[in-house]
Amino acid sequence: GAVVSQHPSRVICKSGTSVKIECRSLDFQATTMFWYRQFPKQSLMLMATSNEGSKATYEQGVEKDKFLINHASLTLSTLTVTSAHPEDSSFYICSVGTRSYEQYFGPGTRLTVT
Amino acid sequence: GQQVMQIPQYQHVQEGEDFTTYCNSSTTLSNIQWYKQRPGGHPVFLIQLVKSGEVKKQKRLTFQFGEAKKNSSLHITATQTTDVGTYFCAGRDSNYQLIWGAGTKLIIKP
Repeated sequence: GAVVSQHPSRVICKSGTSVKIECRSLDFQATTMFWYRQFPKQSLMLMATSNEGSKATYEQGVEKDKFLINHASLTLSTLTVTSAHPEDSSFYICSVGTRSYEQYFGPGTRLTVT
Repeated sequence: GQQVMQIPQYQHVQEGEDFTTYCNSSTTLSNIQWYKQRPGGHPVFLIQLVKSGEVKKQKRLTFQFGEAKKNSSLHITATQTTDVGTYFCAGRDSNYQLIWGAGTKLIIKP
């Protein structure tokens, strides 16, 4: 399976600043990546589907201007949380999707906004 | 690096038979989570185990966390067609990162 990394693993930022989270597929060319958000003991909430070379598809209720996704290459997708607020504090997870609908997950990024 | 090995990769069972998937971590985990992903869908959180030796049940599903907090299992009794999917474990390490198992795909034979 694919090996997926995320950077940073945890980040603390001040309210109003922007934070960029990177998701890398280390050994697999990922045409599709997914970004999830998770609250404690809850399911992964799909935020958006990121397709290489095209605009991401956002789920209903997710602000695309607040959560900017860039999938510029087959191995890298980034999620930028713009003008972060404390309610954006969460655990963000990316995954790489294959044509057979399998997913390989990253280790997650813990964002804390103070 | 830290790993969570999950076996088997696939399991074919007749409807009504039992199913078990196992996860083993190279390091001690603070907790472990289990997810189910239906074909074409996204993972759905099933349960989180925190305590050493913990056993939890959800109807036909039994989840165990080992005494050393390095291994875990999910057992389904008398499988039904609705149980089809891929079951993932994900262990939380001391840095709060999730270490995912590769998943076990449950296939029900007609």
